[in-house]
This record gives sequence, structure tokens and C-alpha cells, in this order.
Amino acid sequence: GAVVSQHPSWVICKSGTSVKIECRSLDFQATTMFWYRQFPKQSLMLMATSNEGSKATYEQGVEKDKFLINHASLTLSTLTVTSAHPEDSSFYICSASYPGRSEQFFGPGTRLTVL
Amino acid sequence: GQQVMQIPQYQHVQEGEDFTTYCNSSTTLSNIQWYKQRPGGHPVFLIQLVKSGEVKKQKRLTFQFGEAKKNSSLHITATQTTDVGTYFCAGLLPDSNYQLIWGAGTKLIIKP
Repeated sequence: GAVVSQHPSWVICKSGTSVKIECRSLDFQATTMFWYRQFPKQSLMLMATSNEGSKATYEQGVEKDKFLINHASLTLSTLTVTSAHPEDSSFYICSASYPGRSEQFFGPGTRLTVL
Repeated sequence: GQQVMQIPQYQHVQEGEDFTTYCNSSTTLSNIQWYKQRPGGHPVFLIQLVKSGEVKKQKRLTFQFGEAKKNSSLHITATQTTDVGTYFCAGLLPDSNYQLIWGAGTKLIIKP
């Protein structure tokens, strides 16, 4: 149980384009999903908390208009990086929690490279 | 803001030696969790500690939660090559929206 998928696993795009990343909980319903960014050899940086049916809560310093999060169902959350630039290149990981639980189950991550 | 400090950043050990990583929070936690991230992989949930002074074991791994619920440790006995990776602690603050406060991680490196 507690399987989270993420798609795509990697993407290369040109500067100025938008990229959508999907995060799915495959065998459970997740009322809360989290989006993280991880730089090489560094810890996880929480970008936003996504609750099904409501607006995402963004961490300080994360531009909500640049990183659009949609949590349309109990099993799917999407992160769209709009007008991507090379500095947005990173490893993006989502996680999901069972309702009422705090332990997180992570997707395999998406490596974004913006040229 | 609230922080969880984790040390050391790296630890090089010979295979068979022990490994320990420590986490210290600036505030009392509701629980503390431990995750392992293999090179090139994603974090995987290992365990959660909730009670003051709690100790849990998973084979060669021993997890402790301090009496004040502010610090925690992970000890691995007789490391093996399969233990290689980065170990993260993550604390849950009271009254938070299930957001975890993450330590910086300790990378376990096995010397050849």
C-alpha cells in the first residue's frame, strides 16, 4: 500500500515554456499532498501544501503564480511550472498522506531541466 | 522560525562499523519521523515516534525520541552497503496542517 506515482520522471524544456507534473496516490485517497523541491546534495524544501478541493498553501518565497498547484481529486495533484527558466531546473517531488495521518509517502520525483 | 537541526551532514564509515545521526528541534514536537533516500531515489518513510522517551527497533536500526520530545537519534549497528543513502528526520509541530519540518539529512557513505 501507500504507492505514489509521479509523471513525468524527467523533462527537458525550453526557457519560457510551461511544464505540468502529475502526482497520483494509486492505492489510497490523499486529502493532503505536498510539493517539494530538492537541490543536489540538499534537503527537501517544501513549496506548498495541497488540500483536495481548496487552494494550495504556499511557503514563504514561493511564487504561487509561477508554481500553479491544482488538487482536483483525492488521488491527483498537479504542479505547473509556468514560463520556466533555467533557475527552475531542479528535482521536484510530491508526497501524499493518508487522511488524519502525518507520515508522507513520496513519488519518485521529476527532474526538470530548463534550457 | 521552527527548525530541526540534524548532524552530522556526512558520515564515512567502514562496512561493519556503526552509524548515528542526531536531530534536535527548537520546539516540542508532536512526533518525529525518519526517512531514507537512496542515491538517485526518493525519500522512503521508515518509522514514526510519538511518545516521550520512545525507543523503536527495526533489525539493525534503533530510533529514539527524547524525553522532552525535542530530539531524536537513529543508530545503525554494523552497517552494510545496503544502508548507503541519506537519512532525514522530520518533525511534526503541534497544530500544524500535517506539515513536517525537515532536518538537512545525514549522508551515510561506506568507505571502500
